[in-house]
Amino acid sequence: SAVISQKPSRDICQRGTSLTIQCQVDSQVTMMFWYRQQPGQSLTLIATANQGSEATYESGFVIDKFPISRPNLTFSTLTVSNLSPEDSSIYLCSAPKGLGRLETQYFGPGTRLLVL
Amino acid sequence: TQLLEQSPQFLSIQEGENLTVYCNSSSVFSSLQWYRQEPGEGPVLLVTVVTGGEVKKLKRLTFQFGDARKDSSLHITAAQPGDTGLYLCAGFPLSNDYKLSFGAGTTVTVRA
Repeated sequence: SAVISQKPSRDICQRGTSLTIQCQVDSQVTMMFWYRQQPGQSLTLIATANQGSEATYESGFVIDKFPISRPNLTFSTLTVSNLSPEDSSIYLCSAPKGLGRLETQYFGPGTRLLVL
Repeated sequence: TQLLEQSPQFLSIQEGENLTVYCNSSSVFSSLQWYRQEPGEGPVLLVTVVTGGEVKKLKRLTFQFGDARKDSSLHITAAQPGDTGLYLCAGFPLSNDYKLSFGAGTTVTVRA
């Protein structure tokens, strides 16, 4: 299994500021994914972080609001910009197992963001 | 519109009872995963099913993948309070096999 860590685990931010979340995987992976989750609800995919190219965003999510970096095969960052209370959520990164066919996906512990 | 319809949304049972969670779709999936998530943590993978008709057992948990690879179920025998959590089914559809589709989740509460 892949071990995925995220930093910070939680933060409280003021509206208008930005928060950058880091995700580290213990092995090389082809793709990394960023999700948003409201408490008690399912996960919504924000974007796919591709190494060496721009991230691919899902409908309703834009690069200006959620810039993503993917400098190598084990690391990615998600920035949530110009924060508003509506951005309060849990942000999760995930990665599939290994570099081959995608069968299984593992998740980090999440970053709990509260925007005041 | 979610590709995976998960039911029920909420389930509250007494310790020792059995429960089943369903995950259905009109689409075919190359694989399906079941996760359990506890408050304050990320989803933890329970099982991956790949072959149509496959049955996997994990202690008191039994997972089935439908013959047509469109549906799956999770059955818990003699539930315990430690089984409490949010259960999520997710899968890679054949039409887009690099992006995981999630069900809406089932919140399971097992009362002591």
